[in-house]
Amino acid sequence: DAGVTQSPTHLIKTRGQQVTLRCSPKSGHDTVSWYQQALGQGPQFIFQYYEEEERQRGNFPDRFSGHQFPNYSSELNVNALLLGDSALYLCASSLGVAMGETQYFGPGTRLLVL
Amino acid sequence: RKEVEQDPGPFNVPEGATVAFNCTYSNSASQSFFWYRQDCRKEPKLLMSVYSSGNEDGRFTAQLNRASQYISLLIRDSKLSDSATYLCVVNVYGGTSYGKLTFGQGTILTVHP
Repeated sequence: DAGVTQSPTHLIKTRGQQVTLRCSPKSGHDTVSWYQQALGQGPQFIFQYYEEEERQRGNFPDRFSGHQFPNYSSELNVNALLLGDSALYLCASSLGVAMGETQYFGPGTRLLVL
Repeated sequence: RKEVEQDPGPFNVPEGATVAFNCTYSNSASQSFFWYRQDCRKEPKLLMSVYSSGNEDGRFTAQLNRASQYISLLIRDSKLSDSATYLCVVNVYGGTSYGKLTFGQGTILTVHP
């Protein structure tokens, strides 16, 4: 049973560039959430996708956008990269979001913005 | 004020020690609670859910006090393999909030021989 997978594992970009990160949820899961984890901090919620729509969003600017495909996989796009966007980007999947439903995390993509 | 606050740590303890982590949350609408473990340069993994009645999983005991908005994790008989960052996590349901996990900043635990 494949767990959550993310690609790429590492990425180096320069300020102003755009980046796309990808996530495939755990088999059977239909909901994908994205988190940003800066060094030494806990993950912060970016947004969540369900039924190909953004269901809820954290306190992130519009430079952060996403998409969910019919097969439940998801992309996170970040435009006009800033140095402060350097972080570990984590994708988590679940079967719906009922109370107590466990979210399983992928290994993350490490983004470095120079 | 942060929504979820944890002891800053780090905690350095010898093998066999008992160590306790504390966490407070500010949103009284929080309805589910977890401890996640994160190894260095890895993803967070669920350690255990936390229930109002308290719950135990082997050497790990979690407690929740809704009145005080306080969560704790107790690790008994620490092992070298317990070395990791422990993340306190709360989830708010209702209104427009569904399954948005809010994490504390994490507490680093190092268990030494």
